[in-house]
Amino acid sequence: QSVLTQPPSVSGAPGQRVTISCTGSSSNIGAGYDVHWYQQLPGTAPKLLIYGNSNRPSGVPDRFSGSKSGTSASLAITGLQAEDEADYYCQSYDSSLWVFGGGTKLTVL
Amino acid sequence: QVQLQESGPGLVKPSGTLSLTCAVSGGSISSSNWWSWVRQPPGKGLEWIGEIYHSGSTNYNPSLKSRVTISVDKSKNQFSLKLSSVTAADTAVYYCAKYSSSWYNAFDIWGQGTMVTVSS
Repeated sequence: QSVLTQPPSVSGAPGQRVTISCTGSSSNIGAGYDVHWYQQLPGTAPKLLIYGNSNRPSGVPDRFSGSKSGTSASLAITGLQAEDEADYYCQSYDSSLWVFGGGTKLTVL
Repeated sequence: QVQLQESGPGLVKPSGTLSLTCAVSGGSISSSNWWSWVRQPPGKGLEWIGEIYHSGSTNYNPSLKSRVTISVDKSKNQFSLKLSSVTAADTAVYYCAKYSSSWYNAFDIWGQGTMVTVSS
């Protein structure tokens, strides 16, 4: 059971918008700790997608955006593309350790 | 651009000790970064194992703390993981990664990962 809760799967057609939620608590996201998002393509290492709740590293398309409110955070992907099909993980801090969400598998229909 | 590369045995016997090394290239391990280990069991999510600063300061996941040791070798620009008393539950892809305050403490660089299987 992960400290941060994500839906196991989401799906969308090419060109659509999808969101992935990350629900925490008052000891992690709600305590003010930043949320980060990672994209993991099959058979590869995670790649930083969003850091500090809503910042994109250089090279990440602006189709990806992040937000945080209260004890939750969200990753939004607009203009869905086939190459976006991957696992997505949120990450934050809780009680002296870094914690990850259980991961969400995005399927592009 | 910093790059990380894990190395170590791909097979460890039950009750043995898993030992991995992460080589840092393109930058100094003595820079203002924390160096971490993260693992991912087959088909499952990510779990943070622990971290080290070049000063030798460490932090560990409480669930693994009794079995984990992370060390740094500044002369070789690398850091290492030792996990003792392993069982099949420790079978996973092990990643090394780094973070710094410049990235709001997000893991901005990851190694490619190395698969470790615990089996007799």
